[in-house]
Amino acid sequence: NAGVTQTPKFRILKIGQSMTLQCTQDMNHNYMYWYRQDPGMGLKLIYYSVGAGITDKGEVPNGYNVSRSTTEDFPLRLELAAPSQTSVYFCAAHPRGNTGELFFGEGSRLTVL
Amino acid sequence: KNQVEQSPQSLIILEGKNCTLQCNYTVSPFSNLRWYKQDTGRGPVSLTIMTFSENTKSNGRYTATLDADTKQSSLHITASQLSDSASYICVVSEGGGADGLTFGKGTHLIIQP
Repeated sequence: NAGVTQTPKFRILKIGQSMTLQCTQDMNHNYMYWYRQDPGMGLKLIYYSVGAGITDKGEVPNGYNVSRSTTEDFPLRLELAAPSQTSVYFCAAHPRGNTGELFFGEGSRLTVL
Repeated sequence: KNQVEQSPQSLIILEGKNCTLQCNYTVSPFSNLRWYKQDTGRGPVSLTIMTFSENTKSNGRYTATLDADTKQSSLHITASQLSDSASYICVVSEGGGADGLTFGKGTHLIIQP
């Protein structure tokens, strides 16, 4: 099993450009998350989903959008990229509530210039 | 506001030595506490998950302790190896919704030969 797969691993964007970070999981887990990790800071929750068709905002949702059309995929969309969105983004999945083990992808490093 | 504080911020020890990392939290209600290892440039990987009733949990050379009364946890690493060099992140779950995870900023551990 691949677990949680994120693409791309690295990307450089210009201010104002848009892009989508892809996340897919093959574990059939209901819960999926997007986090961002800034240097010296803890992971911050951007958006999460408890199942296909359901998404909710996390702690830092501004400037991002998500969709969850299938159990497997949870893409994160950046509209009008800003330098403040320079960060490492992690997608994660776990099977139920917040008691199951949380599996992370390898991360996507985004730089906005 | 729920908080997870980790100490020290960084630590350098010699290979073969033991070390202990600390985690204090103010998260309430409490469901479980997790320790993750994050290698440079990789996603976090789970080491242990501890519930309210568990005082100690081991995973190889890693031993986590939990005192739910004082809201403190520690991660003890025995006979450190160069591969233990990583960031160690403490995560506390509220036990409520899927967004109820609070992340510490991590302890950056360097093992020197």
